[in-house]
Amino acid sequence: QKEVEQNSGPLSVPEGAIASLNCTYSDRGSQSFFWYRQYSGKSPELIMFIYSNGDKEDGRFTAQLNKASQYVSLLIRDSQPSDSATYLCAVNAQGGSEKLVFGKGTKLTVNP
Amino acid sequence: DARVTQTPRDKVTEMGQEVTMRCQPILGHNTVFWYRQTMMQGLELLAYFRNRAPLDDSGMPKDRFSAEMPDATLATLKIQPSEPRDSAVYFCASGSTNGGTQYFGPGTRLLVL
Repeated sequence: QKEVEQNSGPLSVPEGAIASLNCTYSDRGSQSFFWYRQYSGKSPELIMFIYSNGDKEDGRFTAQLNKASQYVSLLIRDSQPSDSATYLCAVNAQGGSEKLVFGKGTKLTVNP
Repeated sequence: DARVTQTPRDKVTEMGQEVTMRCQPILGHNTVFWYRQTMMQGLELLAYFRNRAPLDDSGMPKDRFSAEMPDATLATLKIQPSEPRDSAVYFCASGSTNGGTQYFGPGTRLLVL
């Protein structure tokens, strides 16, 4: 059973702080890693994807991947109240497959 | 603005009734996924298609659920007969075999009484 684990939270940070969201996965053959944001009552929305070890930055978001440790994280700099949502980590199954396995998500609250 | 569309957005039905949910993937996408989301289980994959062919429906209760893709612009998910435990939000997502990114529709919120 391929698994993706996330801390369910809630994670609470003050406005302007850095929010750090973490995810571990069990399938060593996974090659593609995604972060989705889901507002309450809405559908998941893609924020970032990462394929290679290291960091990938997009605006206030940075995804970090460490395949040796089977660990992927998302950093949100200068957190805003509008970042308050549940963040879902997703990992492709069976290396190269387009099928994704999702974690249960971490709920983030950014306090003004 | 290309996006996945789903109908209906909300459905309330009684136990035993048939439920049909529809999805129109983004034009040009060749993979379609059906997910179910509940508070307890999170987002679960029910079935997925590549180039309209079903590739994996292992997450779907076979006795009551069925998924089809009659053409490239329409995917359907049927539940017959429906049960209260089927109450959830059902999402359709589409993507392409290049990259693997999936784009989600707005979902169908199903309540079975």
